[in-house]
Amino acid sequence: EPEVTQTPSHQVTQMGQEVILRCVPISNHLYFYWYRQILGQKVEFLVSFYNNEISEKSEIFDDQFSVERPDGSNFTLKIRSTKLEDSAMYFCASSEGFEKLFFGSGTQLSVL
Amino acid sequence: AQSVTQPDIHITVSEGASLELRCNYSYGATPYLFWYVQSPGQGLQLLLKYFSGDTLVQGIKGFEAEFKRSQSSFNLRKPSVHWSDAAEYFCAVGSNDYKLSFGAGTTVTVRA
Repeated sequence: EPEVTQTPSHQVTQMGQEVILRCVPISNHLYFYWYRQILGQKVEFLVSFYNNEISEKSEIFDDQFSVERPDGSNFTLKIRSTKLEDSAMYFCASSEGFEKLFFGSGTQLSVL
Repeated sequence: AQSVTQPDIHITVSEGASLELRCNYSYGATPYLFWYVQSPGQGLQLLLKYFSGDTLVQGIKGFEAEFKRSQSSFNLRKPSVHWSDAAEYFCAVGSNDYKLSFGAGTTVTVRA
């Protein structure tokens, strides 16, 4: 089965630093997503992306966050100035349509 | 707003025994319902989904789920669990805005 690939698997950063989380979606997929899971909490929707623009975002996805599809294959999530509360597992997902999202194995972000 | 409740945080079951994981949802219209599984170090894998039609849906790995509108439930079942079924299971509800709302998850431990 095709896979969504996320790198790195674990990212440690200092508070206030910028981080970029990278994802390679499945090649023929058109919809891309970021979700996150803070330890002990639910998996939460952050943002969806289609046709090179954000289609929907949650209230979590404030001005500190941005997404980009820089080269037609990668899909990135940037956090401009990380806060302690950004520590979480971040999941990338992609889909052809709504019926089945394929999730990556996640990037564990630790903000110190 | 859509939401999902998984009442059981942790379930322990003997290998070969049956398993049932509970999921209750809140959604104003006909929901799209999903069950995902996450094994350690892995991404979220779709087990099964319900969009419409037959209320008993079959999924991968021998799992099934039944949609009960009167109870706002979508419980996951497996007649005989295997040690490899030890994982975390997430119920999710979605709509046609391509956004999923997840439950908090149920961790399943399988004892020999």
